[in-house]
Amino acid sequence: AQSVSQHNHHVILSEAASLELGCNYSYGGTVNLFWYVQYPGQHLQLLLKYFSGDPLVKGIKGFEAEFIKSKFSFNLRKPSVQWSDTAEYFCAVNDYKLSFGAGTTVTVRA
Amino acid sequence: NAGVMQNPRHLVRRRGQEARLRCSPMKGHSHVYWYRQLPEEGLKFMVYLQKENIIDESGMPKERFSAEFPKEGPSILRIQQVVRGDSAAYFCASSPEGQGTPLHFGNGTRLTVT
Repeated sequence: AQSVSQHNHHVILSEAASLELGCNYSYGGTVNLFWYVQYPGQHLQLLLKYFSGDPLVKGIKGFEAEFIKSKFSFNLRKPSVQWSDTAEYFCAVNDYKLSFGAGTTVTVRA
Repeated sequence: NAGVMQNPRHLVRRRGQEARLRCSPMKGHSHVYWYRQLPEEGLKFMVYLQKENIIDESGMPKERFSAEFPKEGPSILRIQQVVRGDSAAYFCASSPEGQGTPLHFGNGTRLTVT
């Protein structure tokens, strides 16, 4: 079964800072990769997904992620965060069922 | 198009009681997944169902937990004889085609066992 590891449990940064969240998965076969975001008190929402093609994927709200197959990684980035990006971010991998990482809480200070 | 609907939003049960969590998938979605989110942990897969069939229940505890997705009506996650350790947020997700397709999540049911 897939295991997904997210490198940071909690990230605190100031507005306009750049954000990068690490994600590694264990399985080397064909996978579909996702980043979900959970804003306080809300359900999970899809930020972006990678199925195939260009390994640099652009999502909503200025987020992007890069799939590096040789490193089994799918890191999430945003060049300049806003206070409204405060949320919990989950990396997920789907080879049969969706397996989630433990999540990274991102706190953006105004 | 309504999203994934879960109810109740909050559920309080005493130890030993039964908890029934309901999930209505998005219209046109026939694949349902249940996940559990414990404090300080990520989402843990519990079970994957299609209409009237359990496809994968490898994440379900062997005892007290069961799930169904009948031909008509919502999917039900049932927890019998609840214990304090069952306190968690339970999320349901649905997709139209299953494997590989993005999941749409409900708002979750927060179960508190007292």
